[in-house]
Amino acid sequence: NIVMTQSPKSMSRSVGDRVTMNCKASQNVYNYIVWYQQKPGQSPKLLIYYASNRYNGVPDRFTGSGYGTDFTLTINSVQAEDAAFYYCQRLYNSPYTFGPGTKLELK
Amino acid sequence: EVQILETGGGLVKPGGSLRLSCATSGFNFNDYFMNWVRQAPGKGLEWIAQIKNKNYNYATYYAESLEGRVTISRDDSKSSVYLQLSSLRAEDTAIYYCTRSPYYGYNYPHYFDYWGQGVMVTVSS
Repeated sequence: NIVMTQSPKSMSRSVGDRVTMNCKASQNVYNYIVWYQQKPGQSPKLLIYYASNRYNGVPDRFTGSGYGTDFTLTINSVQAEDAAFYYCQRLYNSPYTFGPGTKLELK
Repeated sequence: EVQILETGGGLVKPGGSLRLSCATSGFNFNDYFMNWVRQAPGKGLEWIAQIKNKNYNYATYYAESLEGRVTISRDDSKSSVYLQLSSLRAEDTAIYYCTRSPYYGYNYPHYFDYWGQGVMVTVSS
């Protein structure tokens, strides 16, 4: 099975910073990668699909990129409300594995 | 408005069984694949199971770690999906989320776009 890893495990940034987090697949997953945001006590929210497509209503400060095995989620000018866990997930065929997540804290 | 509501969680003893239900409304249930995802306390997300729709003969898929102990099913007449869990262990303690996947005519899910609030399952003696 394809293994998904994410880095860093956690990060602390200031409001206004540019944030970059990574997702790596153990095999080629083409662009079948999705990103979710999960805040404490809430269900995950879809941010990005097909690696780089922003979902409805997602602020344009969120950008996804990558293809094959290496993917990146970038938040330009991070806001206080962006403090959350971020998970990548591979789709296309089962199992639809999630990465272990990146925790973003705001100073 | 899309609504997804999971029920059926609670405290169950090790070795026991549980059936979770997920009632949906606000969209054409028949047109979507449905999934269960769980999250153990303080841990990440784990995909558990998917059931496709009638167009794909209600095909089912399971995470290897749970295969044999879990069954997903759906009732299109009730716009509901179910998860039967058996031989429960302490490590099955988690919030269980029901989510939908649009597939737009392709044989695979494009994303998980709407999620329920989740239901807690605690396995303990």
